[in-house]
Amino acid sequence: DAGVTQSPTHLIKTRGQQVTLRCSPKSGHDTVSWYQQALGQGPQFIFQYYEEEERQRGNFPDRFSGHQFPNYSSELNVNALLLGDSALYLCASSFWGTSGANVLTFGAGSRLTVL
Amino acid sequence: KNQVEQSPQSLIILEGKNCTLQCNYTVSPFSNLRWYKQDTGRGPVSLTIMTFSENTKSNGRYTATLDADTKQSSLHITASQLSDSASYICVVSFTNAGNMLTFGGGTRLMVKP
Repeated sequence: DAGVTQSPTHLIKTRGQQVTLRCSPKSGHDTVSWYQQALGQGPQFIFQYYEEEERQRGNFPDRFSGHQFPNYSSELNVNALLLGDSALYLCASSFWGTSGANVLTFGAGSRLTVL
Repeated sequence: KNQVEQSPQSLIILEGKNCTLQCNYTVSPFSNLRWYKQDTGRGPVSLTIMTFSENTKSNGRYTATLDADTKQSSLHITASQLSDSASYICVVSFTNAGNMLTFGGGTRLMVKP
């Protein structure tokens, strides 16, 4: 039973470029959440997708956008990259039906470095 | 604003010793409180999850406690092992925040032989 898989694991971009990160949820999960984790900090919630719609959004600018596909996989897009976007981007999946007590399963993350 | 604060920021202990990590949260009501373990370069892994009505939850050598009155939680690790070296993150789900989780900054634990 595959867990959450993310790609790529590492990537380097320059300021102003755009990046797309991908996530496949754990089998049986239908909800995907994205988090940004700066070095030495706890993860910060970016947004959550369920039924191909953004359901919740954290305090991130519109440069951060996402998408969920019919097979529940998801993409995170970041436009006009800034140096401060360098971080570990974590994808977490869960089952929407368990609501508040749902246990998130995290992927290993995509490490983005912006030069 | 919902906030989660953890202490200490980092901790070094000798193998076999016990330790306790602290988590304080502001604003309520909350739905549940979770502790995650995050190895370097990996995603967080759930250790325990407690609702407001629970005051203790164990998972092997890990025991989490919750005092909803003082808005404090602790994670106690007994008989530490080298593999316990990781970041431990306290996560709170607030009922006024929908499905969003608020993460603490984590405690970086290093277990030395």
